[in-house]
Amino acid sequence: SAVISQKPSRDICQRGTSLTIQCQVDSQVTMMFWYRQQPGQSLTLIATANQGSEATYESGFVIDKFPISRPNLTFSTLTVSNMSPEDSSIYLCSVRPRDNQPQHFGDGTRLSIL
Amino acid sequence: DAKTTQPNSMESNEEEPVHLPCNHSTISGTDYIHWYRQLPSQGPEYVIHGLTSNVNNRMASLAIAEDRKSSTLILHRATLRDAAVYYCILRDPGGSQGNLIFGKGTKLSVKP
Repeated sequence: SAVISQKPSRDICQRGTSLTIQCQVDSQVTMMFWYRQQPGQSLTLIATANQGSEATYESGFVIDKFPISRPNLTFSTLTVSNMSPEDSSIYLCSVRPRDNQPQHFGDGTRLSIL
Repeated sequence: DAKTTQPNSMESNEEEPVHLPCNHSTISGTDYIHWYRQLPSQGPEYVIHGLTSNVNNRMASLAIAEDRKSSTLILHRATLRDAAVYYCILRDPGGSQGNLIFGKGTKLSVKP
């Protein structure tokens, strides 16, 4: 199974600032995803990170707020822009190595905004 | 998206079997039934998945009703480490994106 490393594992940020979260996988994968998990809630899919093209965002999420990059088959970044306390969540990277294989998740980035 | 219904919480005793139910009455013919679990302070981990037939692996068994409108995840001997939130998710690999959409899941508590 794919091993996913997310950085940072946690951070405390000031409102109005931006933070970029990195996701590195130990092998090439077909699909990469970003999820958000608000306190005490289930996971919500933010977007699919597409290699070499713009990410595909789910309803309620926009590129200006959550810009995503995916320069190759093993790496992606998610930026949380102009943060407010409502953005305090765990942000998780997920990968699907091949189309009919299970998804794997990182342990997430725990983000608190003051 | 096809939806699933799970109990909010369940309790089990250590070393006893656990049956976690999931209803998915609007399942389509191409939806696979996936189970993931999330231990405290960790990302979700894959448990098992199936289409029509019952499935077994080292972690669990998946029993799928003949009409596919419900399924049951079976942990044969619960351990304290199995305390987690268990998610039953439908995924159509041939769908527009075939993404995993999480519901609220079942929080399983295991008592020693």
